[in-house]
Formats: sequence, C-alpha cells, structure tokens
Amino acid sequence: AQSVTQLDSQVPVFEEAPVELRCNYSSSVSVYLFWYVQYPNQGLQLLLKYLSGSTLVKGINGFEAEFNKSQTSFHLRKPSVHISDTAEYFCAVSRVGTGGFKTIFGAGTRLFVKA
Amino acid sequence: DVKVTQSSRYLVKRTGEKVFLECVQDMDHENMFWYRQDPGLGLRLIYFSYDVKMKEKGDIPEGYSVSREKKERFSLILESASTNQTSMYLCASSPPDVSGNTIYFGEGSWLTVV
Repeated sequence: AQSVTQLDSQVPVFEEAPVELRCNYSSSVSVYLFWYVQYPNQGLQLLLKYLSGSTLVKGINGFEAEFNKSQTSFHLRKPSVHISDTAEYFCAVSRVGTGGFKTIFGAGTRLFVKA
Repeated sequence: DVKVTQSSRYLVKRTGEKVFLECVQDMDHENMFWYRQDPGLGLRLIYFSYDVKMKEKGDIPEGYSVSREKKERFSLILESASTNQTSMYLCASSPPDVSGNTIYFGEGSWLTVV
C-alpha cells in the first residue's frame, strides 16, 4: 500500500522569499506523484504531476517539484512567493498501472505568505 | 473549461435527517469520486464510481451511500446524518486511467449537522 507524508502542517513565509513544501511517500511499486493546490473556499486544482522522464517537473504559477526516487521524496518549491500563493497544498500518490481508482492524498500543508 | 459542479455549497441539517449531495460533471468522464476533507486528515475517499450504476467503497464508506444513474451525475447520500459527519465534501471526476490523469474537483459542499 502507498502512503504520503507531508512533513509540515503549516509554513509561514514572507512575500518574495523562497519556499519548500516537503512530501515523502512510501510504496513498493512505481507511482505517479502529484501536487494539488486549494485556495480558500475552493476545490483542489492540479499544480503539477510527475509521471516519468525528467525528475524536475514545472507547474503553474512558478512552482516546481523534484522527484527523488532514492529518498522517496517529491518536494515542492518556488523561488519567490506572492501573497496570492496563500493556500493549502496537497501531495498525492497513485500506483502505476492499476487504473488508479485510489489516489492517496497527504494531510496538506498550509502556506501563509506574509507581506 | 472543465467543470465539476456541486449543487449546494453550504448546508445545515439536523441529526437523523437524510441528506443528498449532488454533483454533475461536464467532461464525459467515466470516473467519479466523493471525498471528505477534514483538518489534519487531508482527503479521504468515501466512494468512487467507474461507470453508470457501478460503485466501489473507498476508505470510509460507513454511514454513506451513493447513486450514479447517469454518467454525468454522482450523488452522495447520508442515510441518517450524525454530528460526526460535519465536514467538507468534495466531488471529483477523472478520465478512465486516473493514475496518470488529473482529478478534477468541485468547489466543495460544507455540511454542518446539528
């Protein structure tokens, strides 16, 4: 079975500072990895995903994530955050080749960007 | 633009009431899902459906049922609402191979059971 651990429940950061949101997963088989973002009072939307190929994945709004198979991590980064990046971020994992009806989500990381 | 629409954003229901949460998607997706979102617990899958009239239990199906009579519509039913079902409910849909495909979410339904 897969599992996802988001290592920080809340991350406060000042505007224009860099940020890293950490995600570790466990799985005995190959997986796909995702980051979703949830803005206040909205549903989740896809930020980026890793399926195969280059381990550095670029997403929307200047975010990127790096897949590290040896460390089973998929950390999300942005070099300079904006107030509008304040949201909750979810890491998710899905097993390759299963039809993937069950995507497992982490508990979420709340990013607070302060002026 | 792709769309998953949840008909009710905010509901307040009494303990013991039967509650219906409705969801419609316009992307002709085979797969539809109902998740529950609680602080510190992330998203937990209640039920999913991979075709009309087909359903499978997720991780926390107790106290819930679902109905999918048409491809675009997936309903979540709380047979007898209880206070521990106060939560945010998210409907979602995806194409058949959900592993490598994006899951599209509705805006959520906040349910309070008093």
